Order: sequence, then structure tokens, then C-alpha cells
Amino acid sequence: DIQMTQSPSSLSASVGDRVTITCRASQTVSNFLNWYQHKPGKAPRVLIYGASNLQSGVPPRFSGSGSGTDFTLTITSLQPEDFATYYCQQTYSTWTFGQGTKVDIK
Amino acid sequence: QVQLQESGPGLLKPSETLSLTCTVSGGSISPYYWSWVRQSPGKRQEWIGYIHFSGSTNYNPSLKSRVTISVDRSKNQFSLKLTSVTAADTALYYCTRIGAPPTGGWYLDLWGRGTLVTVSS
Repeated sequence: DIQMTQSPSSLSASVGDRVTITCRASQTVSNFLNWYQHKPGKAPRVLIYGASNLQSGVPPRFSGSGSGTDFTLTITSLQPEDFATYYCQQTYSTWTFGQGTKVDIK
Repeated sequence: QVQLQESGPGLLKPSETLSLTCTVSGGSISPYYWSWVRQSPGKRQEWIGYIHFSGSTNYNPSLKSRVTISVDRSKNQFSLKLTSVTAADTALYYCTRIGAPPTGGWYLDLWGRGTLVTVSS
């Protein structure tokens, strides 16, 4: 299976900060890379699909980039509702997920 | 708006069969693909498998020998069965809908809140 490694595993940030989370695949996943946000007790939601496509209804402060093995999720100006855990997922072959990045308040 | 709700027993004994149902409300199960994902305590999420509304399936090879996913279009539901469970199958189980854009690359565009299944003697 393709291993997905996110970094960092956690980070502390303030409202208004620019936040960058990276996801590295153990082999190429082309652009079949998705990003999800998950808050405790709620259903996860997709933010970015196909590495860089913003899901309908997701604020434009979220963006994704990358292809092949290296990907980035960027939040340009962190809002209070963005404190959550973020996961990457590849759907290139047997689907696998990253271990998650928890974003909390500094 | 479309919502997904998982249901089923929350406690099982080792060797029993896990059976969960996902009810789709506010929309039709057609023409989509649907999936199950789980997350065990302290571990990353694991994709279990998916089913098309027509009934065709694809399973994670690591679970394939124990998994069956089925669909009931008349009830707007799809289900998961996992046989011979052990403590390692203790997890939060999510049902999801799959988005399949024409550009390729599937993703999970709608999730339920998840249901906790514990396997313990």
C-alpha cells in the first residue's frame, strides 16, 4: 500500500496566521490526493479534491497544491472555525490516509 | 440536504459478525458509489470498501476475506458486514458517499458522523 505521511502531526497557530500542512506519498499518486477537515463529534468534510480543486462551499482561504508525491494544504488566514484535524487521502491505488495534523489554538 | 446515518450494534464479542447500516436521507442512493471507512483508536483512517448503487463492489485487500458491502435501493440504504471480528476491529465506522469528477480521482464528498463499534469479551 502507498504510505501517506503528513507533517507536522500537530501545530499551534493564531487566528489570522497562514498555515501550511504537507503530505508526502511513498510513491506517486498523480494528482489523486484529497484533503479533509474533521472536528470532534462531527462528520468529516472534504476541502480539496484532485490535489487542487476546492470543494463547493469551502472558503477560498483553503487551497491545495502538488502532484506526484508531495502535496500541500494551505490556509491563508486561519479562522476560529478552522481549528480541527486535517487528513490527506490518496485514491490512486488502494485508498490510504495520512495520520492527521491537529491544528489548535496558540 | 443529503445526510448519512450509521446504525448497528455498538458492542460485539470476538468471532461475531459486525453488521452496520447506512441510511441515506434527503437524496437518492442512485447513481452514486458509497463507501465505508473506519478509524481505530490511535490509528489512522482505513478504507474498507465501496459499492456502486448497481451492486458492484471493491474491497481493501487487507479486509477482503471478511468484508461484504451490500445495497438496498428500496430502502435507500447500504450495509457493511465484517466477519470474525477481533479487538483490532474496534473502531469508529463511517459511511460515506463518493464523488467522482469527470477529471478523474475519487474522493469522499459526504460523511456520516460515525458509529463506535467495540469488540470485547
